[in-house]
Order: sequence, then C-alpha cells, then structure tokens
Amino acid sequence: DIVMTQSPDSLAVSLGERATINCKSSQSVLYSSNNKNYLAWYQQKPGQPPKLLIYWASTRESGVPDRFSGSGSGTDFTLTISSLQAEDVAVYYCQQYYNTPPALTFGGGTKVEIK
Amino acid sequence: EVQLVESGGVVVQPGGSLRLSCAASGFTFDDYTMHWVRQAPGKGLEWVSLINWDGSDTYYADSVKGRFTISRDNSKNSLYLQMNGLRTEDTAFYYCAKAGDSSSWLTFDHWGQGTLVTVSS
Repeated sequence: DIVMTQSPDSLAVSLGERATINCKSSQSVLYSSNNKNYLAWYQQKPGQPPKLLIYWASTRESGVPDRFSGSGSGTDFTLTISSLQAEDVAVYYCQQYYNTPPALTFGGGTKVEIK
Repeated sequence: EVQLVESGGVVVQPGGSLRLSCAASGFTFDDYTMHWVRQAPGKGLEWVSLINWDGSDTYYADSVKGRFTISRDNSKNSLYLQMNGLRTEDTAFYYCAKAGDSSSWLTFDHWGQGTLVTVSS
C-alpha cells in the first residue's frame, strides 16, 4: 500500500495568517497517462464527519472557500490556508486514490489551531 | 440535499458479528459507488470497503478482507456492511460515504454522521 505521511502533526497559526500542511506519499500518485495527481484533502471539525476540500491535488470542491488551495505533484503535496479563520480549526487529512485495484490510504492528519 | 444515515453500531464481544446499514437520500443512489470508512476514537481515518453502483465489484482493505462483506440494495437506497469475526481493533466510528462525482469514484464527497462499533468483552 502507498503510505501517506503528513507534517506537522499540529500547528498553531494566528487569525489571518497562512497555514501550510504537507503530505508525502511513499510512491508517486501522478498518473502519466492523464497527468493527474490522485490526491485529495479533507477537513474534519470536532464532532463532525470529514468534508472533501480538494481533489486531483489542486481542484477545489464546490463551495469550498478560495482561501484553501492545494499544490504539488508526484510524491509531495501541500494544503495552504491563505488567511486562517476561526472556523478553519480542524484536523486535515490527505488521501491517495492512485492504486488499482483500490487500496485507499489517508495521512495521519494535521491538527490546526488558533495561536 | 444528500443525506447518509448510518445505523447498527453497538457493543459486541470479540468474535461476534454485526450488520451496519446506511440509508441514502437526496441523490440517485444507483448511479454511485459507495464506501465505508472508519475512525477509531481519537485516531485517523481508515478506508474499509467500496462497492460499485450495481454491486458487481467490491474491494476491501487488507485489515478486514475475509471478515467483512459490503453490499447494497438499490431498491431501498441502502448500503450495508456485514462484519464477522470482530476484533478489538475494529472498534471505531463507521462512516458511510458517497463516491465523488466530478472528483473521482475513489474520493468521498459526502459522509454520514457515523455509527460507533465497540468490540469489547
């Protein structure tokens, strides 16, 4: 299985400041045939199920604020919150969906708090 | 509005069996792949299983293969997870999740609130 490693485990950011979360895969999740990275990001607020934020590494799900952006390719990816809001306090997970047959795996999560 | 409502979570002894259900509404159920994803209390997410739109293809995580069976009844807009040979490490919230549309059938664009399965003697 592809192992997903997130860093840091947690970070505290001041309101209005940038938050950056990293995700590294144990092998490339870039499909050369379509040039797509099979990588998604989810947000999980306390007591709630996860919510899809980003797919194909950089495409925002409908309704997701544009302060959330995804970047990277191959094995190294980043989720950036450009200006942290109070409602962004959550745990963020990356997920790869590259394998065939499917063996979907998540990163360990990054907890974002207000400084 | 997409709604997914899980049920069936209880306390069960190791080695026991349990069947989880997920009632879906607000979308054309038989157009979509469906998933089960679990989360041990205070821990991260683990994909469990998926089933394609008509039930002809199913896949499982290695940790549950041979013990869990995913199924669906499109006439009832319902998804199921039959769990046999339960172990203490299966203790988790189990989420029903709808596959992505434009994203991918291997992402999860809507989730239920989850049902808690506790495996304990």
